[in-house]
Amino acid sequence: NAGVTQTPKFQVLKTGQSMTLQCAQDMNHEYMSWYRQDPGMGLRLIHYSVGAGITDQGEVPNGYNVSRSTTEDFPLRLLSAAPSQTSVYFCASSFRTVNTGELFFGEGSRLTVL
Amino acid sequence: GQQLNQSPQSMFIQEGEDVSMNCTSSSIFNTWLWYKQDPGEGPVLLIALYKAGELTSNGRLTAQFGITRKDSFLNISASIPSDVGIYFCAGRTGTASKLTFGTGTRLQVTL
Repeated sequence: NAGVTQTPKFQVLKTGQSMTLQCAQDMNHEYMSWYRQDPGMGLRLIHYSVGAGITDQGEVPNGYNVSRSTTEDFPLRLLSAAPSQTSVYFCASSFRTVNTGELFFGEGSRLTVL
Repeated sequence: GQQLNQSPQSMFIQEGEDVSMNCTSSSIFNTWLWYKQDPGEGPVLLIALYKAGELTSNGRLTAQFGITRKDSFLNISASIPSDVGIYFCAGRTGTASKLTFGTGTRLQVTL
């Protein structure tokens, strides 16, 4: 079982470039989300989705876009990268109907914007 | 946006020592969770708490859901080198899957 798979694991961008971080899960989870992790800030929610075709903003959505065309995939797009978006990004998923609150995380994507 | 405050920010302890960390919030949560992140990995769930006052153990780990529903505590007994990592608390309101995470406690264990 692959669980939550994120690609790429590492990426370096120049300011103004665009890119997409990919996230796929094979657990048939309805809920998927993106977090960013910064030193001293913990994990902050960027965007989330409760099912295919439904997305919503989290705590720090500016500069990021998402879409959810299938249950399995939840890509995160940076339209014009800025140095402030240098961070480690985590995708996480869970069942929406199982009331445990447990999220399953990917291994992370480390992004550096120069 | 709301964040949970964890303390301490970091800890350096010797193998065999007990560890205590806590998490506080200005808001009420109906679920508290504790996650551990190993270096280079994503966080993994350790313990989940669902009722105020609840005390739950998982091996050497014990966590409590504060009676005010605004705080939670995690204790690790007899620490070992593989306990090294970052520990995050997380809170949830309602039945939504959306979690609010704490700022993390970095644990280092020396031999």
